[in-house]
Amino acid sequence: QQPVQSPQAVILREGEDAVINCSSSKALYSVHWYRQKHGEAPVFLMILLKGGEQKGHDKISASFNEKKQQSSLYLTASQLSYSGTYFCGTEMNAGAQKLVFGQGTRLTINP
Amino acid sequence: GAVVSQHPSWVICKSGTSVKIECRSLDFQATTMFWYRQFPKQSLMLMATSNEGSKATYEQGVEKDKFLINHASLTLSTLTVTSAHPEDSSFYICRRGPGLAGANEQFFGPGTRLTVL
Repeated sequence: QQPVQSPQAVILREGEDAVINCSSSKALYSVHWYRQKHGEAPVFLMILLKGGEQKGHDKISASFNEKKQQSSLYLTASQLSYSGTYFCGTEMNAGAQKLVFGQGTRLTINP
Repeated sequence: GAVVSQHPSWVICKSGTSVKIECRSLDFQATTMFWYRQFPKQSLMLMATSNEGSKATYEQGVEKDKFLINHASLTLSTLTVTSAHPEDSSFYICRRGPGLAGANEQFFGPGTRLTVL
Protein backbone atom coordinates (compact mmCIF):
# COMPACT_ATOMS: atom_id res chain seq x y z
CA GLN A 1 0.00 0.00 0.00
CA GLN A 2 1.44 3.33 -1.09
CA PRO A 3 2.31 5.73 1.76
CA VAL A 4 0.83 9.22 1.63
CA GLN A 5 3.13 12.21 1.60
CA SER A 6 2.20 15.75 2.53
CA PRO A 7 2.38 18.40 1.39
CA GLN A 8 2.50 17.68 -2.33
CA ALA A 9 4.56 20.77 -3.01
CA VAL A 10 6.39 23.45 -1.03
CA ILE A 11 7.94 26.72 -2.12
CA LEU A 12 10.43 28.33 0.24
CA ARG A 13 12.92 31.11 0.32
CA GLU A 14 16.52 30.18 1.01
CA GLY A 15 17.06 29.87 4.74
CA GLU A 16 13.52 28.83 5.61
CA ASP A 17 12.54 25.52 7.16
CA ALA A 18 10.34 22.74 5.78
CA VAL A 19 8.71 19.58 7.08
CA ILE A 20 7.61 16.73 4.85
CA ASN A 21 5.40 14.00 6.25
CA CYS A 22 4.95 10.38 5.23
CA SER A 23 2.07 8.31 6.58
CA SER A 24 1.17 4.68 6.19
CA SER A 25 -2.03 2.82 6.94
CA LYS A 26 -0.03 -0.29 7.81
CA ALA A 27 2.63 -1.03 10.40
CA LEU A 28 6.11 -0.27 9.18
CA TYR A 29 9.53 -1.76 9.77
CA SER A 30 11.50 1.07 8.24
CA VAL A 31 11.19 4.32 6.35
CA HIS A 32 13.68 5.48 3.73
CA TRP A 33 14.02 9.03 2.44
CA TYR A 34 15.32 9.97 -1.01
CA ARG A 35 15.72 13.19 -2.96
CA GLN A 36 15.41 13.26 -6.73
CA LYS A 37 16.45 16.10 -8.99
CA HIS A 38 14.89 16.52 -12.40
CA GLY A 39 16.13 13.94 -14.89
CA GLU A 40 18.24 12.11 -12.31
CA ALA A 41 17.86 9.02 -10.17
CA PRO A 42 16.83 9.36 -6.52
CA VAL A 43 19.64 9.84 -4.04
CA PHE A 44 19.52 8.09 -0.67
CA LEU A 45 19.25 10.45 2.30
CA MET A 46 18.63 8.27 5.31
CA ILE A 47 16.87 5.21 6.69
CA LEU A 48 14.94 5.05 9.94
CA LEU A 49 14.25 1.73 11.56
CA LYS A 50 11.48 0.53 13.82
CA GLY A 51 12.15 1.60 17.35
CA GLY A 52 11.39 5.28 17.06
CA GLU A 53 14.61 6.46 15.49
CA GLN A 54 15.62 10.00 14.88
CA LYS A 55 18.67 10.89 12.90
CA GLY A 56 20.12 13.68 10.88
CA HIS A 57 22.97 14.90 8.78
CA ASP A 58 23.92 18.54 8.40
CA LYS A 59 20.62 20.39 8.39
CA ILE A 60 18.43 17.50 7.28
CA SER A 61 16.93 15.25 9.93
CA ALA A 62 14.09 12.80 10.22
CA SER A 63 12.00 11.02 12.80
CA PHE A 64 9.97 7.84 12.76
CA ASN A 65 6.93 7.42 14.98
CA GLU A 66 6.04 3.77 14.63
CA LYS A 67 2.89 4.09 16.74
CA LYS A 68 1.50 6.64 14.33
CA GLN A 69 3.07 4.83 11.36
CA GLN A 70 4.47 8.14 10.32
CA SER A 71 7.81 9.67 9.47
CA SER A 72 8.76 13.30 9.06
CA LEU A 73 11.70 14.83 7.23
CA TYR A 74 12.94 18.18 8.53
CA LEU A 75 14.98 20.58 6.42
CA THR A 76 16.30 23.54 8.35
CA ALA A 77 17.84 26.71 6.96
CA SER A 78 17.19 25.39 3.47
CA GLN A 79 19.77 25.83 0.75
CA LEU A 80 19.20 26.13 -2.99
CA SER A 81 20.67 22.66 -3.40
CA TYR A 82 17.79 21.19 -1.39
CA SER A 83 15.40 21.74 -4.29
CA GLY A 84 13.99 18.56 -5.77
CA THR A 85 11.32 15.98 -5.19
CA TYR A 86 11.46 14.07 -1.93
CA PHE A 87 10.18 10.52 -1.72
CA CYS A 88 9.64 8.34 1.29
CA GLY A 89 9.87 4.60 0.80
CA THR A 90 8.32 2.27 3.32
CA GLU A 91 9.26 -1.28 4.19
CA MET A 92 6.71 -3.35 6.07
CA ASN A 93 8.67 -6.41 7.06
CA ALA A 94 12.22 -6.80 8.28
CA GLY A 95 14.29 -8.40 5.60
CA ALA A 96 11.67 -7.94 2.90
CA GLN A 97 13.77 -5.12 1.43
CA LYS A 98 10.90 -4.13 -0.82
CA LEU A 99 10.21 -0.40 -0.72
CA VAL A 100 6.91 1.18 -1.72
CA PHE A 101 7.25 4.88 -2.44
CA GLY A 102 4.95 7.78 -1.70
CA GLN A 103 3.82 10.10 -4.45
CA GLY A 104 6.57 12.60 -3.71
CA THR A 105 6.82 16.16 -2.39
CA ARG A 106 8.21 18.79 -4.73
CA LEU A 107 10.38 21.31 -2.89
CA THR A 108 11.37 24.54 -4.57
CA ILE A 109 13.89 26.83 -2.90
CA ASN A 110 14.08 30.37 -4.22
CA PRO A 111 16.94 32.80 -3.53
CA GLY B 1 31.59 7.27 -6.42
CA ALA B 2 28.67 5.37 -7.88
CA VAL B 3 27.89 2.04 -6.32
CA VAL B 4 25.23 0.98 -8.82
CA SER B 5 25.59 1.50 -12.55
CA GLN B 6 23.07 1.17 -15.34
CA HIS B 7 23.60 0.83 -19.04
CA PRO B 8 22.58 2.40 -21.27
CA SER B 9 21.73 5.83 -19.84
CA TRP B 10 19.18 6.38 -22.56
CA VAL B 11 17.85 4.48 -25.54
CA ILE B 12 15.56 5.35 -28.42
CA CYS B 13 14.06 2.45 -30.31
CA LYS B 14 11.35 1.66 -32.82
CA SER B 15 8.09 0.10 -31.78
CA GLY B 16 8.26 -3.68 -31.73
CA THR B 17 11.93 -4.00 -30.87
CA SER B 18 13.37 -5.35 -27.63
CA VAL B 19 15.61 -3.38 -25.33
CA LYS B 20 17.95 -4.73 -22.66
CA ILE B 21 18.92 -2.64 -19.62
CA GLU B 22 21.78 -3.69 -17.38
CA CYS B 23 22.13 -2.92 -13.70
CA ARG B 24 25.43 -3.60 -11.96
CA SER B 25 26.37 -3.50 -8.31
CA LEU B 26 29.90 -2.13 -8.24
CA ASP B 27 31.07 -2.39 -4.69
CA PHE B 28 29.57 -5.57 -3.32
CA GLN B 29 27.59 -8.60 -4.32
CA ALA B 30 23.86 -8.06 -4.29
CA THR B 31 21.50 -11.00 -3.99
CA THR B 32 18.53 -8.78 -4.73
CA MET B 33 17.87 -5.98 -7.17
CA PHE B 34 14.61 -4.08 -7.55
CA TRP B 35 13.35 -2.65 -10.82
CA TYR B 36 11.23 0.49 -10.86
CA ARG B 37 9.52 2.49 -13.55
CA GLN B 38 8.83 6.20 -13.29
CA PHE B 39 6.61 8.21 -15.62
CA PRO B 40 7.10 11.99 -15.77
CA LYS B 41 6.14 13.78 -12.55
CA GLN B 42 5.01 10.54 -10.97
CA SER B 43 6.28 8.30 -8.23
CA LEU B 44 8.55 5.28 -8.50
CA MET B 45 6.50 2.18 -9.17
CA LEU B 46 8.04 -1.15 -8.29
CA MET B 47 7.89 -3.55 -11.20
CA ALA B 48 9.71 -6.61 -9.94
CA THR B 49 12.25 -8.03 -7.55
CA SER B 50 15.23 -9.74 -9.12
CA ASN B 51 16.78 -12.58 -7.12
CA GLU B 52 20.16 -14.06 -7.93
CA GLY B 53 19.81 -17.66 -9.03
CA SER B 54 16.03 -17.78 -8.97
CA LYS B 55 13.00 -16.40 -10.78
CA ALA B 56 12.06 -12.79 -10.41
CA THR B 57 8.99 -11.79 -8.43
CA TYR B 58 6.68 -9.46 -10.32
CA GLU B 59 4.27 -6.93 -8.88
CA GLN B 60 0.60 -7.19 -9.64
CA GLY B 61 -0.23 -5.89 -13.09
CA VAL B 62 3.30 -6.21 -14.48
CA GLU B 63 3.54 -8.59 -17.42
CA LYS B 64 6.39 -11.00 -16.78
CA ASP B 65 6.54 -12.06 -20.42
CA LYS B 66 6.98 -8.46 -21.50
CA PHE B 67 9.50 -7.41 -18.88
CA LEU B 68 12.05 -10.19 -18.68
CA ILE B 69 14.38 -10.10 -15.72
CA ASN B 70 17.57 -12.08 -15.36
CA HIS B 71 19.86 -12.03 -12.34
CA ALA B 72 22.62 -14.33 -13.49
CA SER B 73 25.31 -13.17 -11.10
CA LEU B 74 25.64 -11.39 -7.80
CA THR B 75 26.65 -8.18 -9.53
CA LEU B 76 24.42 -8.05 -12.59
CA SER B 77 20.68 -7.92 -13.16
CA THR B 78 19.11 -7.24 -16.54
CA LEU B 79 15.67 -6.04 -17.58
CA THR B 80 14.58 -6.70 -21.15
CA VAL B 81 11.55 -4.85 -22.47
CA THR B 82 10.26 -7.11 -25.22
CA SER B 83 8.31 -5.81 -28.20
CA ALA B 84 8.42 -2.30 -26.83
CA HIS B 85 5.60 0.13 -27.62
CA PRO B 86 5.32 3.89 -27.11
CA GLU B 87 3.45 3.38 -23.83
CA ASP B 88 6.57 1.63 -22.47
CA SER B 89 8.51 4.89 -22.78
CA SER B 90 9.59 5.70 -19.25
CA PHE B 91 12.50 6.10 -16.84
CA TYR B 92 13.62 2.67 -15.65
CA ILE B 93 15.67 2.53 -12.47
CA CYS B 94 17.17 -0.34 -10.56
CA ARG B 95 17.75 -0.28 -6.83
CA ARG B 96 20.18 -2.53 -5.08
CA GLY B 97 19.03 -4.32 -1.97
CA PRO B 98 21.32 -4.88 1.00
CA GLY B 99 24.39 -6.90 0.14
CA LEU B 100 25.59 -10.12 1.70
CA ALA B 101 27.06 -8.06 4.53
CA GLY B 102 23.58 -6.68 5.21
CA ALA B 103 24.33 -3.00 4.79
CA ASN B 104 21.24 -0.86 5.30
CA GLU B 105 21.89 1.78 2.70
CA GLN B 106 20.14 1.01 -0.53
CA PHE B 107 21.14 2.81 -3.67
CA PHE B 108 19.46 3.46 -6.97
CA GLY B 109 21.26 3.18 -10.26
CA PRO B 110 21.39 6.34 -12.40
CA GLY B 111 18.41 5.19 -14.48
CA THR B 112 17.75 4.46 -18.13
CA ARG B 113 15.42 6.66 -20.14
CA LEU B 114 13.60 4.61 -22.76
CA THR B 115 11.84 6.30 -25.65
CA VAL B 116 9.88 4.10 -28.02
CA LEU B 117 8.95 5.70 -31.32
